[in-house]
Amino acid sequence: SAVISQKPSRDICQRGTSLTIQCQVDSQVTMMFWYRQQPGQSLTLIATANQGSEATYESGFVIDKFPISRPNLTFSTLTVSNLSPEDSSIYLCSTGSGTANTEAFFGQGTRLTVV
Amino acid sequence: EDQVTQSPEALRLQEGESSSLNCSYTVSGLRGLFWYRQDPGKGPEFLFTLYSAGEEKEKERLKATLTKKESFLHITAPKPEDSATYLCAVKAGGTSYGKLTFGQGTILTVHP
Repeated sequence: SAVISQKPSRDICQRGTSLTIQCQVDSQVTMMFWYRQQPGQSLTLIATANQGSEATYESGFVIDKFPISRPNLTFSTLTVSNLSPEDSSIYLCSTGSGTANTEAFFGQGTRLTVV
Repeated sequence: EDQVTQSPEALRLQEGESSSLNCSYTVSGLRGLFWYRQDPGKGPEFLFTLYSAGEEKEKERLKATLTKKESFLHITAPKPEDSATYLCAVKAGGTSYGKLTFGQGTILTVHP
């Protein structure tokens, strides 16, 4: 299984600022995924990040608001830009196991509160 | 569009009272059905992946089964530490990157 470390675990940010979330995996993985979990809701995929290529965004999510970097096979960042209270959520990174992607593991999540 | 519906939304059990959680899905070519446990303030913890109808997997007091339209998570003789939100997700065929579509979850509370 993959062990995923996500930082920060929580943050309180002022509206209009940005927050960058880091995700480190203990092994090389092909794909990394970023999800949002709004209060009391389930998980919604924001984008998929492959190393060396542009991230693929789901409907309703755009690169200007959620820029993603994937500089190597063990690391990714998600930035939530121009924060508003509606961005208050838990953000989670996820990956499969190696290239087979038969399992999916999650980090502990970043709880973002925008004030 | 892929859809996942979990029921019930919440389930309260007495310790030792066995029950089942349901996950109904519609997906174009199932590539895997995933079950997770999520504790408050934490990320989902992987439990099982099922791939084909008739498949079953077990872990301690949990047993997951799969049909062509739904999956069940059976909890046998639950304990208070089994209290958590249980999430079901599907991975569809035709997507090369393994996107998961999640249900809303079932909040399980087990009383001593």
